[in-house]
Amino acid sequence: QKEVEQDPGPLSVPEGAIVSLNCTYSNSAFQYFMWYRQYSRKGPELLMYTYSSGNKEDGRFTAQVDKSSKYISLFIRDSQPSDSATYLCAMSLGGSGGYQKVTFGTGTKLQVIP
Amino acid sequence: EADIYQTPRYLVIGTGKKITLECSQTMGHDKMYWYQQDPGMELHLIHYSYGVNSTEKGDLSSESTVSRIRTEHFPLTLESARPSHTSQYLCASSEYKGGGLYEQYFGPGTRLTVT
Repeated sequence: QKEVEQDPGPLSVPEGAIVSLNCTYSNSAFQYFMWYRQYSRKGPELLMYTYSSGNKEDGRFTAQVDKSSKYISLFIRDSQPSDSATYLCAMSLGGSGGYQKVTFGTGTKLQVIP
Repeated sequence: EADIYQTPRYLVIGTGKKITLECSQTMGHDKMYWYQQDPGMELHLIHYSYGVNSTEKGDLSSESTVSRIRTEHFPLTLESARPSHTSQYLCASSEYKGGGLYEQYFGPGTRLTVT
C-alpha cells in the first residue's frame, strides 16, 4: 500500500468552476502537507503548504488538512485555463538539520476548459 | 522563479552509452536532490546531498551515481545506459523555511530516452 494515494484524473472542468483535489495518506506522523503544481514540461513548484491540521487560504486556493481522517484537499475557486496543470500532494515529517523526506502523490491532471 | 537549471532538457541515446545529466543552482542551497518521475507514478528520490562531498542514495534503487564537488553543481551519471533508464529526471534544491519545513525548488527536468 502506498503511503500517499491520489486520484490521477484527468479532471476536466469548465472555466469558473470550483475544483476539489484530494489525497489520503497512511502515516499519521506526517506534519507538513504541501501542494505542488507542475505545468507540462516543467518541474513542480510549491503552491501551498500547511502545518498539521486546519485550513490555509491564498487567493483562489484553499488547502485543508484533516489529520483525524488522514485526508487533505486543495480547492481552487473560479478556476482559470491557466490553472491547467498536474497537482501533486506531498507530505513530510518535518524537522530541521538532517534530510527531510518528502513523500509525493502521483499527481492529478487538471484541465480547465475556456 | 527558482534559479535551478538542468541540461540537456531532452536526450535520446543508445544502449551502453555513458551519460551525464547536469544540474546547477545559483541560490547557494546546501541540500540538493535527484528524483525520477514516470507517467502516473509518484516522484521517487534516487540521490541527495547535504553539501559538498556529501552524497547519499535515496529510496529508489538506481544504477546512477552523483557527485558534489561544488555547492552549485550536482551532476548525475549513468555509466552504461539501458532502456530501463528511460524516464524523466528532476533535480531539486531546498531552503530551510523555519519551523521544520524545507521548501524544495525543482529544475525543469531532463527527459531521457534510451533506445
